[in-house]
Amino acid sequence: GIQVEQSPPDLILQEGANSTLRCNFSDSVNNLQWFHQNPWGQLINLFYIPSGTKQNGRLSATTVATERYSLLYISSSQTTDSGVYFCAVESQTGANNLFFGTGTRLTVIP
Amino acid sequence: DAGVTQSPTHLIKTRGQHVTLRCSPISGHKSVSWYQQVLGQGPQFIFQYYEKEERGRGNFPDRFSARQFPNYSSELNVNALLLGDSALYLCASSGLGLAGVNTEAFFGQGTRLTVV
Repeated sequence: GIQVEQSPPDLILQEGANSTLRCNFSDSVNNLQWFHQNPWGQLINLFYIPSGTKQNGRLSATTVATERYSLLYISSSQTTDSGVYFCAVESQTGANNLFFGTGTRLTVIP
Repeated sequence: DAGVTQSPTHLIKTRGQHVTLRCSPISGHKSVSWYQQVLGQGPQFIFQYYEKEERGRGNFPDRFSARQFPNYSSELNVNALLLGDSALYLCASSGLGLAGVNTEAFFGQGTRLTVV
């Protein structure tokens, strides 16, 4: 199946700092989503972004489908941003399900 | 509108037992998918159902089965539980867009299964 790699695996930030999380994938995709998993396990939708750029408050995301990567930007980070960020993709060929990366664990310290 | 709801939220079972997990999708969504997430990893796909038909199956043993009901809710069944089945089980709800592409998936809060 499609391979999804996320970097960095771990990130520690001071509150107020900015960060960029990266997601590389090995095949063309129909669907790409970014999620934030809170400490209770809930996956919270951040972006549905198979291509292009979107912004939502302090968060924005860009997917360059032709080059098979997506970036998630977090600006002015807050302690509530802590958690694990997952990128998930649905391949254009093969299975009709989301393949998840291994995630980026973000810790924001006050 | 209610989001995706799963029950129960927590469950403890003994090795060899079976378990049934339940999921109700977002109103209007006809597709339900199940994922297993073990500690420290990303969720892994188990099944997808659309209009009561199995649309996809991940690399899981036959001990895992699922079904979807006419109201689009779904059950995941696991027989002969093993210690390694301990995980967070997530249900996702989505629609089906053009050319059979899934629309945005929304997840429930999960069922945390512990096998002892």
